[in-house]
Amino acid sequence: GAVVSQHPSRVICKSGTSVKIECRSLDFQATTMFWYRQFPKQSLMLMATSNEGSKATYEQGVEKDKFLINHASLTLSTLTVTSAHPEDSSFYICSARDRWTLSYEQYFGPGTRLTVT
Amino acid sequence: GESVGLHLPTLSVQEGDNSIINCAYSNSASDYFIWYKQESGKGPQFIIDIRSNMDKRQGQRVTVLLNKTVKHLSLQIAATQPGDSAVYFCAEIGANFGNEKLTFGTGTRLTIIP
Repeated sequence: GAVVSQHPSRVICKSGTSVKIECRSLDFQATTMFWYRQFPKQSLMLMATSNEGSKATYEQGVEKDKFLINHASLTLSTLTVTSAHPEDSSFYICSARDRWTLSYEQYFGPGTRLTVT
Repeated sequence: GESVGLHLPTLSVQEGDNSIINCAYSNSASDYFIWYKQESGKGPQFIIDIRSNMDKRQGQRVTVLLNKTVKHLSLQIAATQPGDSAVYFCAEIGANFGNEKLTFGTGTRLTIIP
């Protein structure tokens, strides 16, 4: 149980285009999902907290107009990188919390490798 | 500022030996700590967690120790196997109600030598 998927696993796009990444909780409902970014040989940095049915909460320094987050259902959150540039190339990872558990535990997806050329 | 960090960026251990990965944290209000394992190109995998009201917790081949006096956390892996090679992160959640954000440490790369 508690499986989180991400799609796509890898994506290459041209500079200036937009890319959408999906995060799904497969066997549980998640009112809260999190989006992280990880550069090579670095730790995970939280970008934003995605709340079902409401606006996402962005961390300081993360441009909300560039990284659009939509959490339209209890099992799906999407991250859209708009007008992507090479410096946006990174490993994007989502996580989700089970709405019915009191645990703090977050279940992580397998990540999406974005390369902007 | 508040941070969660690790003492050593890399650690090499002979297969079959025990390994200890350390983590220091600076937020004395930290309430919950988690160790994650991340293999190359994959998302973090939960290993074990511990609450601030505990000082030790054991799982299968893993033990987490928490020393609140010196704000130190460690992960012990017994009888290491090649599959244990990965980057290990400690993460913490503050005690603020509703603040569910995880703060990750810098990570330690563990290499198991056959």
